[in-house]
Amino acid sequence: AQSVTQPDIHITVSEGASLELRCNYSYGATPYLFWYVQSPGQGLQLLLKYFSGDTLVQGIKGFEAEFKRSQSSFNLRKPSVHWSDAAEYFCAVMDNYGQNFVFGPGTRLSVLP
Amino acid sequence: EAQVTQNPRYLITVTGKKLTVTCSQNMNHEYMSWYRQDPGLGLRQIYYSMNVEVTDKGDVPEGYKVSRKEKRNFPLILESPSPNQTSLYFCASSLRGTGNTIYFGEGSWLTVV
Repeated sequence: AQSVTQPDIHITVSEGASLELRCNYSYGATPYLFWYVQSPGQGLQLLLKYFSGDTLVQGIKGFEAEFKRSQSSFNLRKPSVHWSDAAEYFCAVMDNYGQNFVFGPGTRLSVLP
Repeated sequence: EAQVTQNPRYLITVTGKKLTVTCSQNMNHEYMSWYRQDPGLGLRQIYYSMNVEVTDKGDVPEGYKVSRKEKRNFPLILESPSPNQTSLYFCASSLRGTGNTIYFGEGSWLTVV
């Protein structure tokens, strides 16, 4: 079964600074990878996803992520963080059968003015 | 508008009192699932359904039941709730198969006292 780790429980950055959130996965084949964002009191919104092809994926709100097979990673990046980006971010992996969808524990992002 | 709708959004109940959290989607999706979200654990899958009358256990099914009598509905049943089932619950749906975006409901906050 697949698994996902997000090593950083909480990250604080200043507004305008760059951001990288780490995600590592464990799966025997090439997985389907996702990043979701959850604002306080809200549901989950899909930021981006990777299924195949170009390993650098562009998403909404200026986010991008890069799939690195050799490192089993799918890190999320943003060049300049806005205060509205403060939220919890979840990395997730889906198996090749589309049945099992596993989330990481999440990384909470705080943004300083 | 494409939606996954959960009810109730907020509920406080007592130990042992049966309750049902409803989930309905209007996108004609075959796949539906339930997750619970707990601090530091991310989202964990409770049950999923690949189609009508087909349900399977996820990672944390103990204490829960589901049914899928209609394509659009996937209720989560807690026959005898206990305090350790206090959590935030999400319903999700997608088209069957890999590579499809999973849509989430807004979540149901459940407290068992």
